[in-house]
Amino acid sequence: GAVVSQHPSRVICKSGTSVKIECRSLDFQATTMFWYRQFPKKSLMLMATSNEGSKATYEQGVEKDKFLINHASLTLSTLTVTSAHPEDSSFYICSARSGTADTQYFGPGTRLTVL
Amino acid sequence: AQKVTQAQTEISVVEKEDVTLDCVYETRDTTYYLFWYKQPPSGELVFLIRRNSFDEQNEISGRYSWNFQKSTSSFNFTITASQVVDSAVYFCALTLPLISNFGNEKLTFGTGTRLTIIP
Repeated sequence: GAVVSQHPSRVICKSGTSVKIECRSLDFQATTMFWYRQFPKKSLMLMATSNEGSKATYEQGVEKDKFLINHASLTLSTLTVTSAHPEDSSFYICSARSGTADTQYFGPGTRLTVL
Repeated sequence: AQKVTQAQTEISVVEKEDVTLDCVYETRDTTYYLFWYKQPPSGELVFLIRRNSFDEQNEISGRYSWNFQKSTSSFNFTITASQVVDSAVYFCALTLPLISNFGNEKLTFGTGTRLTIIP
């Protein structure tokens, strides 16, 4: 149990385009989902927390207009990187948690490369 | 605020050796959860263990064991008879429970320890 998927696993796009990443909880209802960014050989940096049906809470320094998060259902959250630039290239990982559970289960990550 | 320190940036051991990964944490809260995650080269974070602050009993799962000591604020992870498949980055993390008065249930990660098992 507790499987989280992400799609796509890799994406390469041109500068200025928008990219959408999906995060799905496959066998549980995720009331809360988290989006992280990870630079090479670094730890995970929390970008935002989203609860189903409400607006995401962004961490300090994360541009909400740049990184649009939607958590429309209990099994799906999306992260859209708008007008992507090379500095947005990174590994993006989502995690999901159900109800009052304290364990976050992570997706396999999405490697974004902006040319 | 919470803090998790993994002082060992990289460790290399020869296959079949035992290895211990250190984790030291800081929190003002008396109720919290500690985690270990494994991140293999594929990138996915694999959940290994969760331990709550009231349970100091050590745990063993196959070749893995965890030593939680509140007196030293440590939650160390030992791999016995290491194998090449154990090569990965290991993260220790801490979170406060959802009922915390501080209202912060985010995961605080350590910087990770890159473990390389040499065949």
